[in-house]
Amino acid sequence: QSALTQPRSVSGSPGQSVTISCTGTSSDVGAFNYVSWYQQHPGKAPKLMIYNVTERPSGVPARFSGSKSGNTASLTISGLQAEDEADYYCCSFTGRLYVFGTATEVTVL
Amino acid sequence: QLVESGEGLVQPGGSLRLSCAASGFTFSSYWMSWIRQAPGKGLEWVANIEKDGNEKNYVDSVRGRFTISRDNAKNSLYLQMNRLRAEDTAIYYCAKYDFSHFDSWGQGALVTVSS
Repeated sequence: QSALTQPRSVSGSPGQSVTISCTGTSSDVGAFNYVSWYQQHPGKAPKLMIYNVTERPSGVPARFSGSKSGNTASLTISGLQAEDEADYYCCSFTGRLYVFGTATEVTVL
Repeated sequence: QLVESGEGLVQPGGSLRLSCAASGFTFSSYWMSWIRQAPGKGLEWVANIEKDGNEKNYVDSVRGRFTISRDNAKNSLYLQMNRLRAEDTAIYYCAKYDFSHFDSWGQGALVTVSS
């Protein structure tokens, strides 16, 4: 199972919006609405930000949103804030197993 | 809360057992997973185990070498790692699995495989 493809990095100024793509195949992202997104700050454990493509856990700011079209899922951060600077990973169910994305570094300029 | 233990340095071909102590939720009601992260690399799902421990799934690279298990009476998850290789060097996280996503993670346990 190959890792899902994410851009290596994205950046934006405070208040701007950034979108991270996550491209898989018809066997993972395209097959199930079980895409989740995780935020990881340096030296810390990952934190769940979005699940089931669009659902946001309690406590996660509303500026984080998710979507999916075909084999590509996306995470959008609207109104970028300094504390959003981190690595982000997508993850998809593949039937029995799970596959993570290649990670995207978000930089707040 | 999830707290891993058992981290350490082991020689190639050796074995190590990780433990994860769970608290704050009904451990026996959830699937659990191990996810690892090699130094400077991305996340890789390793294995998961069904609530009663009857169903287990593994990534191809560890199948036959690693064994995931749990003790619901002790609220604990385990990962027995045998025939370790250099490429198994990573931080190993235990994670609570809520149907389709990993909603709680431990702080991680560092496993280093080196001679």
